[in-house]
Amino acid sequence: DAGVIQSPRHEVTEMGQEVTLRCKPISGHDYLFWYRQTMMRGLELLIYFNNNVPIDDSGMPEDRFSAKMPNASFSTLKIQPSEPRDSAVYFCASSLGSGAFFGQGTRLTVV
Amino acid sequence: AQRVTQPEKLLSVFKGAPVELKCNYSYSGSPELFWYVQYSRQRLQLLLRHISRESIKGFTADLNKGETSFHLKKPFAQEEDSAMYYCARGGSQGNLIFGKGTKLSVKP
Repeated sequence: DAGVIQSPRHEVTEMGQEVTLRCKPISGHDYLFWYRQTMMRGLELLIYFNNNVPIDDSGMPEDRFSAKMPNASFSTLKIQPSEPRDSAVYFCASSLGSGAFFGQGTRLTVV
Repeated sequence: AQRVTQPEKLLSVFKGAPVELKCNYSYSGSPELFWYVQYSRQRLQLLLRHISRESIKGFTADLNKGETSFHLKKPFAQEEDSAMYYCARGGSQGNLIFGKGTKLSVKP
């Protein structure tokens, strides 16, 4: 298995634009997590899914953020409209309920 | 609330010195505990988990239920150990709760 795959690796966008981050979890894993990492706040859990169902989205900062998991092999995190303070590295991770394996992350820069 | 506390933001040691990265967790049943490592601009990697009682790259971590601690130790630090280290615990609903992380800097 290639591990958790995220795309794009880097994204630079202008304020106000819509951004979509994508994640393919490890096959067979039934948990999927979205994290945001910044220097100021460290690693923050945004939302996580179990069997494609959102379990806890209390970490999603605002209504501008939304996440979906239409099937077991794909998830998206969307920011609309994007703002400069959304600049961060966004990690996706998957697990079987014990520990988690992370993707390489998407480095988002909003200018 | 389920919490993980890493009291040190930065730990700096010289090569060959012993290292201990501290981690305390809020008590709640029998949590699963993990250490993750993140080398510069890379993904987080699972370093070890308490149920395995293994040693990875010379690191070990012992769960102390009395002190609710899971400190990460290595007897002789190497320069390549320089990285961010995150302690994490499994939550009651399958999630993973991370500490703020400790940056380890090993100087030559």
